[in-house]
Amino acid sequence: NAGVTQTPKFRILKIGQSMTLQCTQDMNHNYMYWYRQDPGMGLKLIYYSVGAGITDKGEVPNGYNVSRSTTEDFPLRLELAAPSQTSVYFCASSPTGSDQPQHFGDGTRLSIL
Amino acid sequence: AQSVTQLGSHVSVSEGALVLLRCNYSSSVPPYLFWYVQYPNQGLQLLLKYTSAATLVKGINGFEAEFKKSETSFHLTKPSAHMSDAAEYFCAVSLAGRRALTFGSGTRLQVQP
Repeated sequence: NAGVTQTPKFRILKIGQSMTLQCTQDMNHNYMYWYRQDPGMGLKLIYYSVGAGITDKGEVPNGYNVSRSTTEDFPLRLELAAPSQTSVYFCASSPTGSDQPQHFGDGTRLSIL
Repeated sequence: AQSVTQLGSHVSVSEGALVLLRCNYSSSVPPYLFWYVQYPNQGLQLLLKYTSAATLVKGINGFEAEFKKSETSFHLTKPSAHMSDAAEYFCAVSLAGRRALTFGSGTRLQVQP
C-alpha cells in the first residue's frame, strides 16, 4: 500500500540552484496536486493536473514548473531556488476533483540558504 | 469564490474533555467539506467528508462533524479527547465542478494529561 510517494524527504539548496521534487502514486488516480505548507498558513496549491499531459496553475505557481507525462508521476521543478521557497511541499492525488478526498504523501522539507 | 476560516490556531483540552474545532466556510452554492488531520512529520490524512448525504458525518478515531447550512459551519467534535489526538487539523472546502480544495489555516490541538 504505497499510495503517494515523495522523494526526497529533506533537501537543502543554495540560492539559484535547481531541483526536482518527485511524486509518484500507484492508485491510478487522474488528479494530482502540489501544495506548499508554511507555518500558520495552511496549504497553498501550486499546480495541479487532471490527467497525463494536462496541468494548470494553482494559487502560488510563480517559481515552479510541472509536467505530467504519465498517470503515475507528477514532478515539481524549481528552476532558480529563492529563500521564499523554503517550505514543506506535499503531493496529493484523487480519483477526480471536488467531492473526492485527496491522498497525501509525507512531504518534502526544503530549505533554501 | 470559496474560502474557509478556522477559528483558533491553537486549542488545548484536558484528556477526556470535549474537543471542538471550529470551521466556517464561504460559498454561494452547497460545498463539499472535509476535515484532515496531520501528525508531526507526516502528510494529511482524511478524517471525514461531507458530500450532502447527511448533515452529521462520522469519521475515524471517534470524530464527527455537523454541517449547518444556516451558520455556514462544519465544526469538528469528539466527546472525549485522547493524548493520541494531539495533531494539527485542517478544514477544507470544494465546490462541484472545481478541481481543487481550499484549505483553512489549521488548528493545532494540544491534549493535556
